[in-house]
Amino acid sequence: AQRVTQPEKLLSVFKGAPVELKCNYSYSGSPELFWYVQYSRQRLQLLLRHISRESIKGFTADLNKGETSFHLKKPFAQEEDSAMYYCALKGTGGFKTIFGAGTRLFVKA
Amino acid sequence: NAGVMQNPRHLVRRRGQEARLRCSPMKGHSHVYWYRQLPEEGLKFMVYLQKENIIDESGMPKERFSAEFPKEGPSILRIQQVVRGDSAAYFCASSSGTSGSTADTQYFGPGTRLTVL
Repeated sequence: AQRVTQPEKLLSVFKGAPVELKCNYSYSGSPELFWYVQYSRQRLQLLLRHISRESIKGFTADLNKGETSFHLKKPFAQEEDSAMYYCALKGTGGFKTIFGAGTRLFVKA
Repeated sequence: NAGVMQNPRHLVRRRGQEARLRCSPMKGHSHVYWYRQLPEEGLKFMVYLQKENIIDESGMPKERFSAEFPKEGPSILRIQQVVRGDSAAYFCASSSGTSGSTADTQYFGPGTRLTVL
């Protein structure tokens, strides 16, 4: 079955601390993995995708096929990173996107 | 470019009524996706449409739900004879394509919150 699991509903860290939002997936084929973010009162938007291998707003995510994980990391959290983060999966060449339940990140001053 | 537009933003219906949700994709986008989000859950894929065609409706409930994306005008998600369990946030997204590094990036609308009394 195709599934995306985000084990933490809420993650609270202090400003300047490292942060890691966990994402595990189950998919039989070759997936594309994404992280989406929704800031307060804003729309859901794409943060990054694994095929781009880029760092956005200091965040990175590495696809680990052996552990079927795509954890989102940032070495030094900022207050403006407080938001809802969703991990998502799509089959390569496909269009149906499967979302995790989301993790709310709260960065404390 | 105003982005993906959805209306209404909030919709209240009584059980048994029809709900009609509209989505106008970004300019130049011909691919539309509908998702449903129940409280404390992630977005659940419902249907994917291109102009005048339903490509994948595997996430749509078998009854009462239908979607269209006509040649002219917005995409419509229609729910007939609504029940309390239909109360949710419904999100629409659009893209310019389905594959490639950026063509399949989905841009989301603000959502329509449906409440069934």
